[in-house]
Amino acid sequence: GAGVSQSPSNKVTEKGKDVELRCDPISGHTALYWYRQSLGQGLEFLIYFQGNSAPDKSGLPSDRFSAERTGGSVSTLTIQRTQQEDSAVYLCASNGGPNTGELFFGEGSRLTVL
Amino acid sequence: SQKIEQNSEALNIQEGKTATLTCNYTNYSPAYLQWYRQDPGRGPVFLLLIRENEKEKRKERLKVTFDTTLKQSLFHITASQPADSATYLCALGIIGALNFGKGTSLLVTP
Repeated sequence: GAGVSQSPSNKVTEKGKDVELRCDPISGHTALYWYRQSLGQGLEFLIYFQGNSAPDKSGLPSDRFSAERTGGSVSTLTIQRTQQEDSAVYLCASNGGPNTGELFFGEGSRLTVL
Repeated sequence: SQKIEQNSEALNIQEGKTATLTCNYTNYSPAYLQWYRQDPGRGPVFLLLIRENEKEKRKERLKVTFDTTLKQSLFHITASQPADSATYLCALGIIGALNFGKGTSLLVTP
């Protein structure tokens, strides 16, 4: 596709359930980022993948959060045992690699935990 | 700890005036700084990048300055229009993760 694609666009789940959010980056982009944006807040860095290097997981808020990137393309962010404070918009972005400049963002996945 | 600070108060200006937004940072030595625009319910969209060895960069009605001594970037929109109303985010990077400020909301009224 032409841009970064995220799914689902909206997800409502019950506290304690697991959720998976998917990101399909721009073809050929080696770097992929996940951010979280709570209502009225800035973007909180979660995790960064660059090529075949080990991901930078320093932003993951707890061990309930994990992400993988298969084949250097599609990425899945998994939140286990969701809590109400996990409610936020989860944004994915990609770019051509380190120090190459702009990030291209998807439209986000809005997660609501009841 | 590292901090990126943007004015949390919304900036209201009249159409045609110049809007100036500020981004201050501490405990960073960024290789570059970026500005993004975010509309409600949408992902951020890249506007400009300025590198540590650049003082100023322009793109159409946009101008960004970067003062690594003051640890500050200024973002200017000249001849502002109502369509410029949005939240503007600054972001700092070295290599790898890009860290964002919380953004400043700009409202341009006719």
